Amino acid sequence: NAGVTQTPKFQVLKTGQSMTLQCAQDMNHEYMSWYRQDPGMGLRLIHYSVGAGITDQGEVPNGYNVSRSTTEDFPLRLLSAAPSQTSVYFCASSLPSAKQYFGPGTRLTVT
Amino acid sequence: EDKVVQSPLSLVVHEGDTVTLNCSYEVTNFRSLLWYKQEKKAPTFLFMLTSSGIEKKSGRLSSILDKKELFSILNITATQTGDSAVYLCAVYTGNQFYFGTGTSLTVIP
Repeated sequence: NAGVTQTPKFQVLKTGQSMTLQCAQDMNHEYMSWYRQDPGMGLRLIHYSVGAGITDQGEVPNGYNVSRSTTEDFPLRLLSAAPSQTSVYFCASSLPSAKQYFGPGTRLTVT
Repeated sequence: EDKVVQSPLSLVVHEGDTVTLNCSYEVTNFRSLLWYKQEKKAPTFLFMLTSSGIEKKSGRLSSILDKKELFSILNITATQTGDSAVYLCAVYTGNQFYFGTGTSLTVIP
């Protein structure tokens, strides 16, 4: 099993550009989520999904879109990048009420 | 508003010391509490607690949950430099995981 994979590992964007962060898991987990981590702020939930076709907003959803067309994939789209979106992004997956498995993270810089 | 608060924010100890990290929570639908260790990369799972008063133990690390007082502690005995990390507490409510801001532990040789 590859677990949770994320691509890319690093990305630099200019303000206003759009991009998609990819996340995939091969553990047949129903629950997937996206977090951003900023210094002193811990992990903040952006969006999550409890199964294919179902997504919901977390604590900081503005500026981000998600979709869940398959159990395996949960891409995060930045619509128009802003410097405030400079952060480290983690994708995670789990079975219901179980521990989350985290991907390796994507370090995004918006200039 | 659901929230998880960890204390202290940071801690510096000498090798061999014992440390206690705290996590308190206020959530509307508690299902479980989880502890993670993060060392400059993705968080790695330590414990999941669902029942009060039952200690989970793994080597020098242990954790316990008090559902009446709404808190958990993570103990690390005989600390080593490899224990230096950020320790994250999270509470699962049935649809979301809420994370605290973490406790940064530094162990000095």
